[in-house]
Amino acid sequence: GQQVMQIPQYQHVQEGEDFTTYCNSSTTLSNIQWYKQRPGGHPVFLIQLVKSGEVKKQKRLTFQFGEAKKNSSLHITATQTTDVGTYFCAGGSSGTYKYIFGTGTRLKVLA
Amino acid sequence: NAGVMQNPRHLVRRRGQEARLRCSPMKGHSHVYWYRQLPEEGLKFMVYLQKENIIDESGMPKERFSAEFPKEGPSILRIQQVVRGDSAAYFCASSPPGLAGARGNEQFFGPGTRLTVL
Repeated sequence: GQQVMQIPQYQHVQEGEDFTTYCNSSTTLSNIQWYKQRPGGHPVFLIQLVKSGEVKKQKRLTFQFGEAKKNSSLHITATQTTDVGTYFCAGGSSGTYKYIFGTGTRLKVLA
Repeated sequence: NAGVMQNPRHLVRRRGQEARLRCSPMKGHSHVYWYRQLPEEGLKFMVYLQKENIIDESGMPKERFSAEFPKEGPSILRIQQVVRGDSAAYFCASSPPGLAGARGNEQFFGPGTRLTVL
């Protein structure tokens, strides 16, 4: 079945350093969503990408959807302690309602 | 505008008992997803429902698990004869109707129900 993997699984950075998580699907996606989950909390929607090669920015966060629509990345510039949490991608495919969530990248930011 | 509501937030059951988890979607949303999350892991899709209809239950275990979303009232995820392996956080998410493969729709997650089976 379809699988969505994320790397790295864990990342510790010093505050102010950059951070990137990569998401790879075994199948071509129609769209991809990104969520953030704080420790003990619930996933919160960040963004959705639909077009091949699409790049979107939200302040210090940059999201990219690969040309083949099988991979995506989230880059955070100059991390802050408020960025701590687990970042998940979720892939949607044609003709289906369900989203397959990635394995997640847990980010810790050291002050 | 209240968000997605789930209750109870924490549920403790002994092996063999039944667990009922409730989810009230956001106002105006008629579609609900249920996900299971084990500690330190990602979210596993279980089922997608609309009012009075199961749209996709491909992620639901064949036995002991069932879900419904009646015309009136919350969506219910029911786990019969719970076992220790059912211990997990169960999240529901609501969204406006739409195929994931189309433009897709943002999912609004509830706070989750943490189920512990003793």
